[in-house]
Amino acid sequence: DQQVKQNSPSLSVQEGRISILNCDYTNSMFDYFLWYKKYPAEGPTFLISISSIKDKNEDGRFTVFLNKSAKHLSLHIVPSQPGDSAVYFCAAILTGNQFYFGTGTSLTVIP
Amino acid sequence: DTAVSQTPKYLVTQMGNDKSIKCEQNLGHDTMYWYKQDSKKFLKIMFSYNNKELIINETVPNRFSPKSPDKAHLNLHINSLELGDSAVYFCASSQSQGYGELFFGEGSRLTVL
Repeated sequence: DQQVKQNSPSLSVQEGRISILNCDYTNSMFDYFLWYKKYPAEGPTFLISISSIKDKNEDGRFTVFLNKSAKHLSLHIVPSQPGDSAVYFCAAILTGNQFYFGTGTSLTVIP
Repeated sequence: DTAVSQTPKYLVTQMGNDKSIKCEQNLGHDTMYWYKQDSKKFLKIMFSYNNKELIINETVPNRFSPKSPDKAHLNLHINSLELGDSAVYFCASSQSQGYGELFFGEGSRLTVL
């Protein structure tokens, strides 16, 4: 039973444009959300997070939006750069540090 | 200095063998995890240890046995390997207090022939 879903396995974007990665979840008890970035042959690395009491968190080119009523999370990258090409995982946390991950979206930024 | 390191990075073995993957973190974290990423790229929690104590044990065959000799180490031993065990196994750690992010190792790719 997958509680965190990323329905787009891949996304291609032109350099300089906006990348929007989406994530849906089913468990309304999740209260913290994170995005991880993964390059080939490396472990995922933390990118940005958001608490359920907020609807937006921004860090440089990366912004995460949370719509609790829709149980939807999105990551915006603007402007997109070729170095952003990676797999992006959405994750949600229940209390007790139980992390639930989506299946990832592979982003390709075309120069 | 690698924060979370796991060895070996690649492991190819025959069905029925027993193998171990080791993990060490130098971040001073209290909690360590093993995740499995299968062919569908799904990252699924297997085990979680907090201060050497098992706190999460998802539905994993008992052929998989984690061992935490101290809070900086969490090793994964797998008995009687099966073809379906082929995957990338990631070790991770986090602070147990609050919503600490996970720090992952580079992964260990296990191939069972």
